Amino acid sequence: AQSVTQLGSHVSVSEGALVLLRCNYSSSVPPYLFWYVQYPNQGLQLLLKYTTGATLVKGINGFEAEFKKSETSFHLTKPSAHMSDAAEYFCAVSNSGYSTLTFGKGTMLLVSP
Amino acid sequence: EAGVVQSPRYKIIEKKQPVAFWCNPISGHNTLYWYLQNLGQGPELLIRYENEEAVDDSQLPKDRFSAERLKGVDSTLKIQPAELGDSAVYLCASSDGQGPYNEQFFGPGTRLTVL
Repeated sequence: AQSVTQLGSHVSVSEGALVLLRCNYSSSVPPYLFWYVQYPNQGLQLLLKYTTGATLVKGINGFEAEFKKSETSFHLTKPSAHMSDAAEYFCAVSNSGYSTLTFGKGTMLLVSP
Repeated sequence: EAGVVQSPRYKIIEKKQPVAFWCNPISGHNTLYWYLQNLGQGPELLIRYENEEAVDDSQLPKDRFSAERLKGVDSTLKIQPAELGDSAVYLCASSDGQGPYNEQFFGPGTRLTVL
């Protein structure tokens, strides 16, 4: 079994501020972890993914995430928010025993000037 | 490279009517997924195809939902009859491998409103 919990349905930051979106997962075997972004009226786009190896993963648009096994977390960060980052962000998990992606409920990121 | 194409983008129907959604995946992608996304929720898998074979349809409500992927390329998802609770966004995605670590590429979705 696998599941994802995203803390906070909405996160508000000012332009230039640090972005932190939280994701905790549950998986009975080593997980594969993903962050997707969804802009209004568009499909989901992959930001980054963790499969094996280095636990700090860098993605597109300046985002990165760190896999912490002891905390079962995969939080998404960006040092400085841009207005264009405003979107909904989804954390997802899969594993070798269950290849289907299980998504969290999403976090809407709001960026103010 | 063209992305995943879905049509229609929006559909409004009355309850008990049938509806169909069409998806054209990225060329060469053998794996195709249909997801349901309710408002304020993440996508939930309805069905996964490897070529023309449905390999995971455990979450597809088979009493009213059906899907097909003839020739292992395009796919159609059908609901008959539609219910009020079916109002949601239906997303199609494709990937070039069936491994759990493969990136899935999503289409823009079809927003269904059932009145």
